[in-house]
Amino acid sequence: EPEVTQTPSHQVTQMGQEVILRCVPISNHLYFYWYRQILGQKVEFLVSFYNNEISEKSEIFDDQFSVERPDGSNFTLKIRSTKLEDSAMYFCASSDATSGGYNEQFFGPGTRLTVL
Amino acid sequence: GNSVTQMEGPVTLSEEAFLTINCTYTATGYLSLFWYVQYPGEGLQLLLKATKADDKGSNKGFEATYRKETTSFHLEKGSVQVSDSAVYFCALISYYGNNRLAFGKGNQVVVIP
Repeated sequence: EPEVTQTPSHQVTQMGQEVILRCVPISNHLYFYWYRQILGQKVEFLVSFYNNEISEKSEIFDDQFSVERPDGSNFTLKIRSTKLEDSAMYFCASSDATSGGYNEQFFGPGTRLTVL
Repeated sequence: GNSVTQMEGPVTLSEEAFLTINCTYTATGYLSLFWYVQYPGEGLQLLLKATKADDKGSNKGFEATYRKETTSFHLEKGSVQVSDSAVYFCALISYYGNNRLAFGKGNQVVVIP
């Protein structure tokens, strides 16, 4: 069964460093998402991406964050200068074109980011 | 904005017991409701969904009914197994305006043999 994959599973970085989290969505999906979950809190939406551009972003997704689909398979989240409060589990998700993207989203296993 | 509320705290119960996890929501527009499950060390997996009012989603013995009048989507299972131990998340998506999922906080379920 096709699945969303994410690398690395765990990333440790120093405050102020740049990190890139990588995701490979399901191959025939057209909508891509990033969510995050700070320990003990809700899963929060960060950004959605369709047709090679951001379709929506939350208030969390400020200028320190960017997303890219550099080729036909990868979808990346970059944090330019990490802060302590960026420590969280980051989930990538994708969905197909059924119902214009308003359908179930398939999630990857997550990348745990720890900022020291 | 849209929000989802799940009952507080972990749920611990014995094998073969009845499980209920409450989920209520505040949202406008045409909705789809979901339950996702996260097993230890894994990602979020869709457990079941309902795409219109009074729809019942079901999978692996779990059920939930989309109740518009009470704005609820409670998850139930008649007889849990140890393998059902996981974290369960209620979520919704609104068909108007955006396609972001709004999640509840999640409930840790521990089933004791």
